[in-house]
Amino acid sequence: KNEVEQSPQNLTAQEGEFITINCSYSVGISALHWLQQHPGGGIVSLFMLSSGKKKHGRLIATINIQEKHSSLHITASHPRDSAVYICAVRYRGGADGLTFGKGTHLIIQP
Amino acid sequence: NAGVTQTPKFQVLKTGQSMTLQCAQDMNHEYMSWYRQDPGMGLRLIHYSVGAGITDQGEVPNGYNVSRSTTEDFPLRLLSAAPSQTSVYFCASSPNPTRTQDTDTQYFGPGTRLTVL
Repeated sequence: KNEVEQSPQNLTAQEGEFITINCSYSVGISALHWLQQHPGGGIVSLFMLSSGKKKHGRLIATINIQEKHSSLHITASHPRDSAVYICAVRYRGGADGLTFGKGTHLIIQP
Repeated sequence: NAGVTQTPKFQVLKTGQSMTLQCAQDMNHEYMSWYRQDPGMGLRLIHYSVGAGITDQGEVPNGYNVSRSTTEDFPLRLLSAAPSQTSVYFCASSPNPTRTQDTDTQYFGPGTRLTVL
């Protein structure tokens, strides 16, 4: 089974710190997604990318296709960034759904 | 737009009971899918549909049934509930994951928390 590995599983940081969450996958993909799951349970799409880098506000997502690795960065972290961040990939030719990592539980302390 | 809606938000069933989890989207998305989320595991695909009248199995389809008679609705049926089906269920939609990258953006419903006793 193709796996999606995320690290770290849990991360606690102080407000203002630069945060990095990593995601690696095993075979070729057509797209990689970063999702955010709030403490209330709702899931929101943050980024979808297949190459390079995307930025939205304080969030930056990068992907290295050759190394099969992606990172999600949060600059100037804030307590409201506390959530579970989930990486998911769509394997090439895969109309049959996404494969998800187990998520990174992030807590930003004031 | 309401986006993706799911009902009910919470449900408790007894072993052997059947029920239907409702999912609807008003964005005219072709692709819809059902996932379950269990502690310590990533979301796992149950069933998916690439358009009205077309459904297929995902990673964990046993014990579940789906149909897609309209573009908007994609109900998930539990045929005979078992405690192993205790989970949080998410419905998601996207325009079309195979056409272009931009049409793969995922929209999730709020989830249904199901407990089977």
